[in-house]
Amino acid sequence: EAGVAQSPRYKIIEKRQSVAFWCNPISGHATLYWYQQILGQGPKLLIQFQNNGVVDDSQLPKDRFSAERLKGVDSTLKIQPAKLEDSAVYLCASSYGTGVTEAFFGQGTRLTVV
Amino acid sequence: AQKITQTQPGMFVQEKEAVTLDCTYDTSDQSYGLFWYKQPSSGEMIFLIYQGSYDEQNATEGRYSLNFQKARKSANLVISASQLGDSAMYFCAMREDYSGAGSYQLTFGKGTKLSVIP
Repeated sequence: EAGVAQSPRYKIIEKRQSVAFWCNPISGHATLYWYQQILGQGPKLLIQFQNNGVVDDSQLPKDRFSAERLKGVDSTLKIQPAKLEDSAVYLCASSYGTGVTEAFFGQGTRLTVV
Repeated sequence: AQKITQTQPGMFVQEKEAVTLDCTYDTSDQSYGLFWYKQPSSGEMIFLIYQGSYDEQNATEGRYSLNFQKARKSANLVISASQLGDSAMYFCAMREDYSGAGSYQLTFGKGTKLSVIP
């Protein structure tokens, strides 16, 4: 079974530029999460999708971050414009159901904003 | 309020010894799940073990066991016979339905860095 795929693995951009990350969850997984992990901290949930609908985006900085999952499968997370404090690892995870089930993570995208 | 508290920023353990990583949680839900993940320096988040709130037996997975004390709201991870490859960050996480709308979210603690000494 293929795992959660993310790309790119690494990205360096200048502040005020825009960047996009892509995630393809495990086949059949309805729930998809985007997390931000700043160095030395635990992952923080940015947005959670159930199929193609958003169930929680309360911690997403909506003035600069956006995410979509148009067909209920893969997803993109965009930052525009980027700030220095956005430097972090962006993790995508997916899980099969809506209940108390395990989430599987991709390898993450390490973003550096200079 | 913190949903997941990991009080040990760093831990050291001698190779082949057992180590316990602490985790306490805060929830008013009856149905929830507790997870432990390992994050090596490569950055990938690796699932280790899961405990459901209704599970009466403590979860075990190979060298990993979860010491679940529901009344105390603690879910400590025990690693037996530590190996050098166990050196990594360890995160405790909880999945619960915060909003009551059937959308289970996964919240992480700040992590414990485990270093295994030869």
